[in-house]
Amino acid sequence: NFMLTQPHSVSESPGKTVTISCTRSSGSIASNYVQWYQQRPGSSPTTVIYEDDRRPSGVPDRFSGSIDSSSNSASLTISGLKTEDEADYYCQSYDSSSHVVFGGGTKLTVL
Amino acid sequence: QVQLQESGPGLVKPSQTLSLTCTVSGGSISSGTYYWNWIRQHPGKGLEWIGSIYYSGSTYYNPSLKSRVTISLDTSKNQFSLKLSSVTAADTAVYYCARVLRNLGWFDPWGQGTLVTVSS
Repeated sequence: NFMLTQPHSVSESPGKTVTISCTRSSGSIASNYVQWYQQRPGSSPTTVIYEDDRRPSGVPDRFSGSIDSSSNSASLTISGLKTEDEADYYCQSYDSSSHVVFGGGTKLTVL
Repeated sequence: QVQLQESGPGLVKPSQTLSLTCTVSGGSISSGTYYWNWIRQHPGKGLEWIGSIYYSGSTYYNPSLKSRVTISLDTSKNQFSLKLSSVTAADTAVYYCARVLRNLGWFDPWGQGTLVTVSS
């Protein structure tokens, strides 16, 4: 099986751009789609990116996703940071047995 | 709009079986292509997938929990359930139910989550 590794925390100022990485430990990042979830304190997670780079309706276009085969990683980029973006972010994919794999999560601080 | 709501005891004694139910409203649990999932989150920690059940009844479990987990469907009540046996304090967590629209898809929506504490 594989792991998805995320930085524990990132911080950036309002209005700036931040990128959160999600590195797959083995196998190709392109093998299965990557999703990204936002979890604000005390709330359930919500989807901000699905299928690598698609945005659900209602999610601002400040949120974008991508994958990079050279680094075997996925990335979530948030531009024009707002204080409301402060949350935990989780990447998620599937293994070859259709089992769900979550990254460890990244705490985004907007200061 | 589909909504999910977890329910069950908030306190379970060690060695007993944790039982939770997720009630689905706004849509049928037996509609094709849907996978119904349980996910948990230990206090202050990340997300851990427990397992899922397809509308046909096929199940998929996290290998690390497989020996203790049973997920089932009750189509007459539009619910699905989680049973986790032989619990310990390490099973104390917020438990979420969530839907996946199609195979290898994304979780949406999620329930609000329910805290289960394992303690004597």
